[in-house]
Amino acid sequence: GDSVTQMEGPVTLSEEAFLTINCTYTATGYPSLFWYVQYPGEGLQLLLKATKADDKGSNKGFEATYRKETTSFHLEKGSVQVSDSAVYFCALNDQGGSEKLVFGKGTKLTVNP
Amino acid sequence: KAGVTQTPRYLIKTRGQQVTLSCSPISGHRSVSWYQQTPGQGLQFLFEYFSETQRNKGNFPGRFSGRQFSNSRSEMNVSTLELGDSALYLCASSEGQGAAYEQYFGPGTRLTVT
Repeated sequence: GDSVTQMEGPVTLSEEAFLTINCTYTATGYPSLFWYVQYPGEGLQLLLKATKADDKGSNKGFEATYRKETTSFHLEKGSVQVSDSAVYFCALNDQGGSEKLVFGKGTKLTVNP
Repeated sequence: KAGVTQTPRYLIKTRGQQVTLSCSPISGHRSVSWYQQTPGQGLQFLFEYFSETQRNKGNFPGRFSGRQFSNSRSEMNVSTLELGDSALYLCASSEGQGAAYEQYFGPGTRLTVT
């Protein structure tokens, strides 16, 4: 079945450091790919998405490019802030008309001032 | 617009009891999905409803059930609770079905089974 593998961390960075969180996927079709973020005590928020190969999703300084050849969707940010501290989830949707998301295990990011 | 609301936010139940969780989607949203989040298994899909019909179901035992009402509000029920059912239960709503529609998540219901 479909699956998502992401580096589990935790990841600890200093403010203004560069961030990469790796995500790879296995899917039978051509999935849409997502990054969600979960702040403490809250639900998930969509951070960015890409629906086809070579698409780049971006939001709030975060970027991820859909790489079909390496089945990857790595999350990057050039300069992290303390407010970026959260848990990040990579996810895919491979069922056309369905809402079902398959999530990775999540990566906890802590940014220190 | 108000976001997705889930009630109650916290719940403590005893093994063997049953529980009903409620989700009110964003106004105008017709699709509701449920997920279970645990430290060990992460986020797992439970079910998905659209226009009062269950469209998809995850790999959970029959003790987990749900429904959607004509106003798109949804409930999920867990019968004969087990310790392993302790989790954060998240509800998400969207305008339609499929990856083209963004899913908006509620804050979750934290269920503790003792």
